[in-house]
Amino acid sequence: LAKTTQPISMDSYEGQEVNITCSHNNIATNDYITWYQQFPSQGPRFIIQGYKTKVTNEVASLFIPADRKSSTLSLPRVSLSDTAVYYCLVGGRSGGYNKLIFGAGTRLAVHP
Amino acid sequence: GAVVSQHPSWVICKSGTSVKIECRSLDFQATTMFWYRQFPKQSLMLMATSNEGSKATYEQGVEKDKFLINHASLTLSTLTVTSAHPEDSSFYICSAGSGNQNNEQFFGPGTRLTVL
Repeated sequence: LAKTTQPISMDSYEGQEVNITCSHNNIATNDYITWYQQFPSQGPRFIIQGYKTKVTNEVASLFIPADRKSSTLSLPRVSLSDTAVYYCLVGGRSGGYNKLIFGAGTRLAVHP
Repeated sequence: GAVVSQHPSWVICKSGTSVKIECRSLDFQATTMFWYRQFPKQSLMLMATSNEGSKATYEQGVEKDKFLINHASLTLSTLTVTSAHPEDSSFYICSAGSGNQNNEQFFGPGTRLTVL
């Protein structure tokens, strides 16, 4: 399973765009890149997933370069409620089921 | 989207007792569920993979006799912490695989276990 590296923490202000980059140098051909958000004392929540290029949904965008060795989660116009830990994971099917290994994550603090 | 529930949401028990935590997929069937443990200010640590109708697969360093996992149906997996001790106090989270090729998992809300 590919290891991921993210910044430990980031600070931002309300209304700004936040970009969190994740490195995954040994990503495998069949691995997808998935980002989760976690608030204190809650289970992680799926944000976005991609394989290559750019993916956009109602809450975020995910940019993946051609070599797929990194990815960037982009949160447009953050608010205080976006203060959370963000996890980047890579993985695919392994032995017939899905196995996710969480890294340290990025603790995002949004300030007024 | 798919919903995963956990029960109880929190539990306090005395040292030496056993505690059972349930994980249910409410609107989909999950042949595979996962159990994680999370200590304060730390990331989620995968404990084991729960397979419906067969034995669970434990990660290295996780005691299978202490953390009993049963996955008796396609919508229910249980984790029993046997002879709990204060160091077992943690936030336990389950997830269920959607079964699609995109590796999407749905997480439960977690169970806070406090062992006195």
